[in-house]
Amino acid sequence: GPKVLQIPSHQIIDMGQMVTLNCDPVSNHLYFYWYKQILGQQMEFLVNFYNGKVMEKSKLFKDQFSVERPDGSYFTLKIQPTALEDSAVYFCASSLAGGDTQYFGPGTRLLVL
Amino acid sequence: QQQVRQSPQSLTVWEGETAILNCSYENSAFDYFPWYQQFPGEGPALLIAIRSVSDKKEDGRFTIFFNKREKKLSLHITDSQPGDSATYFCAASTGYQNFYFGKGTSLTVIP
Repeated sequence: GPKVLQIPSHQIIDMGQMVTLNCDPVSNHLYFYWYKQILGQQMEFLVNFYNGKVMEKSKLFKDQFSVERPDGSYFTLKIQPTALEDSAVYFCASSLAGGDTQYFGPGTRLLVL
Repeated sequence: QQQVRQSPQSLTVWEGETAILNCSYENSAFDYFPWYQQFPGEGPALLIAIRSVSDKKEDGRFTIFFNKREKKLSLHITDSQPGDSATYFCAASTGYQNFYFGKGTSLTVIP
């Protein structure tokens, strides 16, 4: 099936530093999403993004978070500054249309020390 | 407020048995319900999905039964195989909006 790639697969960072998580979505998809999954828990929606804009975000999408997709390149999630509670697996997903099937990447495992 | 609930939290069946995973939801506006399968260390992969206009969707050994009135659905895995051992997430969405995921059911199939 369609593949979503995420880089890096793992990231360890000191609290307070900035981190950028990269997502390479399915090539013809137009909607992009980030989810956060703490070990053993459900995935929780962070944000969705369409046509260069954030369409919807959850309470988990703190002010320290930002997303962008400059010039059709990677869809990125930036956290600045990071906090201990940001440690989780972050999944990127993309879909052709809003509410359509979402295809997920393998996740980036972020550990904030 | 938990929009999507799943039960049981974990389930163990013998190879060849039918595994039944349950899901219920709060928002009656939800109209699309995908089930995702996730193996350890991987992202969730779409397994099967149903829209609220249907009450059943079948794909090989996987069948979704949907009860709109009771806001419940279930995933039946017939002839369970050890390779089916994974965590299964029920999700729900309404049209344009994001998906709400349940907490998942961890399925173990014993050979």
